[in-house]
Amino acid sequence: EDKVVQSPLSLVVHEGDTVTLNCSYEVTNFRSLLWYKQEKKAPTFLFMLTSSGIEKKSGRLSSILDKKELFSILNITATQTGDSAVYLCAVARTSGTYKYIFGTGTRLKVLA
Amino acid sequence: ETGVTQSPTHLIKTRGQQVTLRCSSQSGHNTVSWYQQALGQGPQFIFQYYREEENGRGNFPPRFSGLQFPNYSSELNVNALELDDSALYLCASSLAGTSTDTQYFGPGTRLTVL
Repeated sequence: EDKVVQSPLSLVVHEGDTVTLNCSYEVTNFRSLLWYKQEKKAPTFLFMLTSSGIEKKSGRLSSILDKKELFSILNITATQTGDSAVYLCAVARTSGTYKYIFGTGTRLKVLA
Repeated sequence: ETGVTQSPTHLIKTRGQQVTLRCSSQSGHNTVSWYQQALGQGPQFIFQYYREEENGRGNFPPRFSGLQFPNYSSELNVNALELDDSALYLCASSLAGTSTDTQYFGPGTRLTVL
C-alpha cells in the first residue's frame, strides 16, 4: 500500500533551535515530493523536489530528497515563533488512484 | 494569500442531505484538485479537474462528484451526507505542465454533518 510517513508527529523547541523534520515514502509511480506549511487552514507551498541530492533553500528553510532511500528532510534553522505550524509532506504520482498522497504532518511548536 | 477562494467558510448539514462547495482558482491556473482533511490528519485527495474533465480520482465513493467550469472555477458535490464526511474541504489550483504539482490552496470549507 502506498504511504507517506512523517516523523516526529510533534515537536516542541525554543526559538533559535534548529529542527529537522522527516518524511519517508513508499509510493509507486513517484513524480515529485512536496512540503507544505499549514498554520490555520490553507497549506502554503514550501518546496517541490524531484531530483535526489539537490538542496532547495528558502531563507531559513531547506529541503533535500533521497530517491534511493525514499525520504526527504526539511530543515529549519534559527526557529522563530512564527514557524509554529503543521508541516505536511506529500508525494505526487504520475498515475494511480491517488495523484497526491499526504503524510499526517509534523506539528511544530516554537516557544519564545 | 494565494488568490484561491472557497465558499462557504462553514457549513452545517444533517445526515442524508446534499452539499455543494465552491472554489475559484488562482488567476491563470487551469487545474483544480479537491481534498478532504479530517481533524489531525493530512489532506486526502478526492479528485482533480483539468479543462473541465476529471483527471484523477482518489478512493472516494461516487456520491462525491465535481465540476469544473470554463473559467476554471470548480464545485464539489457530496450527496447522502454521512457523519464521517465532517471535515475541512480544501481545493488547490495549479497550472498544468511542469508546475502541476505546485498547488496553491484555498482557505477551506469546514463541513459539519449532524
